[in-house]
Amino acid sequence: ETGVTQTPRHLVMGMTNKKSLKCEQHLGHNAMYWYKQSAKKPLELMFVYSLEERVENNSVPSRFSPECPNSSHLFLHLHTLQPEDSALYLCASSQDIRNTIYFGEGSWLTVV
Amino acid sequence: DAKTTQPPSMDCAEGRAANLPCNHSTISGNEYVYWYRQIHSQGPQYIIHGLKNNETNEMASLIITEDRKSSTLILPHATLRDTAVYYCIAENRDDKIIFGKGTRLHILP
Repeated sequence: ETGVTQTPRHLVMGMTNKKSLKCEQHLGHNAMYWYKQSAKKPLELMFVYSLEERVENNSVPSRFSPECPNSSHLFLHLHTLQPEDSALYLCASSQDIRNTIYFGEGSWLTVV
Repeated sequence: DAKTTQPPSMDCAEGRAANLPCNHSTISGNEYVYWYRQIHSQGPQYIIHGLKNNETNEMASLIITEDRKSSTLILPHATLRDTAVYYCIAENRDDKIIFGKGTRLHILP
């Protein structure tokens, strides 16, 4: 138990669906992250939020839309995804963007 | 971030010390060395980090060379549960943690 909880753990969605991944951290951290991990590839940093403001967006397609309503919650809204977007999506948090990162267990996404 | 180089895979016998090397020859003076590991189908787990001095915690020891161009993560008594991908990252405190391919460590019974 890392203090970072992701739901759902598994999601199968069609290319025309709209779904959301949710992340909640119980650590009192100020920074939250979304990473993507495709098969046999390194983790890719997607988005970084610090104090609920987005501070990094690594050229992620607009079909991925993050939302950070408060410092404890982070969402990744998904719409019109492609099969190549199937991957493990990892949420993480840290005290601030200069500190040790703690990861959730991830959400396995399959786009059909 | 300084680029790190790790062997793609290593084997270690159960009960022995696992020594995982990492080269970071372009590391700058204010970049910390971080180690994480990722057990299959789980999120990465923080292990240890250091700047100049050697560090030890309940999970592992981190040995950093005097010139800081390389480091070694030591798992003193490896168990089967230590089988994972281990990531060495040189992180500037003004930057974010970027993961490479890591070392796949196999603990052999």
